[in-house]
Amino acid sequence: NAGVTQTPKFQVLKTGQSMTLQCAQDMNHNSMYWYRQDPGMGLRLIYYSASEGTTDKGEVPNGYNVSRLNKREFSLRLESAAPSQTSVYFCASSEQDTFWREAFFGQGTRLTVV
Amino acid sequence: DAKTTQPNSMESNEEEPVHLPCNHSTISGTDYIHWYRQLPSQGPEYVIHGLTSNVNNRMASLAIAEDRKSSTLILHRATLRDAAVYYCILRTGSARQLTFGSGTQLTVLP
Repeated sequence: NAGVTQTPKFQVLKTGQSMTLQCAQDMNHNSMYWYRQDPGMGLRLIYYSASEGTTDKGEVPNGYNVSRLNKREFSLRLESAAPSQTSVYFCASSEQDTFWREAFFGQGTRLTVV
Repeated sequence: DAKTTQPNSMESNEEEPVHLPCNHSTISGTDYIHWYRQLPSQGPEYVIHGLTSNVNNRMASLAIAEDRKSSTLILHRATLRDAAVYYCILRTGSARQLTFGSGTQLTVLP
């Protein structure tokens, strides 16, 4: 059972560089999410996709874009990375967008912007 | 959004029960109580959730106060593998996201 797979696991970027974080789930879930976690803090929602073809902003969307490529894949793009975006990024998926059942999280991408 | 209050940290001895408290005095009638945990260097993992009645599953039990202003996650026999940050989260029935607080860091002593 792969569950939610994120790539890459680690990344170092220079300020101003761009990159895309990839996320794929194999559970046929409708909803997918991107969170960030800063040291010693809980997770904050960046963007989510309630279903294929839709995306919505979360709590901290500035500096990010997302693409729901198909039902399986949801990518997060940093167009011009900033040191403030140094964080651990988690992708998650759930059957429904109302979280009436459990959400599944990936292992995370540890991003450092220098 | 209704907020939750959890102790920053707790300790437990291995193989003893652990009671992790959560206060949510502003909970509304449609708010579900969810618990997730995050092991070191991993993504959060679902533990349990409930609305009004106590709930049991293979991982834990959730005891919800009669007035729903507080709840307790019960790990029946703590193991070293249960050392993690435990998050108590309120989710409104129609909410499209989980809002995480800072959680409780559980340390399990051998």
